[in-house]
Amino acid sequence: GAGVSQSPRYKVAKRGQDVALRCDPISGHVSLFWYQQALGQGPEFLTYFQNEAQLDKSGLPSDRFFAERPEGSVSTLKIQRTQQEDSAVYLCASSYRDRDTEAFFGQGTRLTVV
Amino acid sequence: GDSVTQMEGPVTLSEEAFLTINCTYTATGYPSLFWYVQYPGEGLQLLLKATKADDKGSNKGFEATYRKETTSFHLEKGSVQVSDSAVYFCALSGADSNYQLIWGAGTKLIIKP
Repeated sequence: GAGVSQSPRYKVAKRGQDVALRCDPISGHVSLFWYQQALGQGPEFLTYFQNEAQLDKSGLPSDRFFAERPEGSVSTLKIQRTQQEDSAVYLCASSYRDRDTEAFFGQGTRLTVV
Repeated sequence: GDSVTQMEGPVTLSEEAFLTINCTYTATGYPSLFWYVQYPGEGLQLLLKATKADDKGSNKGFEATYRKETTSFHLEKGSVQVSDSAVYFCALSGADSNYQLIWGAGTKLIIKP
């Protein structure tokens, strides 16, 4: 497809379970971002990749969160031992040029931890 | 650090009414400013942007002017339609947040026919 694709669209996890969220960016896009959006709030930055290099992970809330983009295209955000406070929509965005903030967003993955 | 404040919603208007959604920011240097829109069931889309003071971004009848003296980037539209119902986010990218977007909390807009 032409846009950023995220899967799954919805995920329900039991507390303590590990989850993996996938992002397929637009082909050829250099930059990839992950954001977390709590209900009724604006997105919060989690991490940034330039190709396969993770240049900034300052927004990851704890060491339970891990992101990778091994071949510079598809990215996976992994959350270990999920907690209720991890419930949110996780947004992926990609852009063509390095540090170009005119990014294109996926529809997000809504994670609910029960 | 950098921050964005936008008016709380929901904002409810009748069709063809004039729209203003206020957005103010705090940032060092000269940030770029953005409005994103999220239609129901869809992802965030860039609506318009301005990269320097006094620039006016415009798209789909919406406008916003980068006002450095008031640190504002208010979104306006002269005549709204039911199809404009969505959540609108103001965001910035500044010297302290180079490639990150710093977001407001979003304003839900409801247009009644």
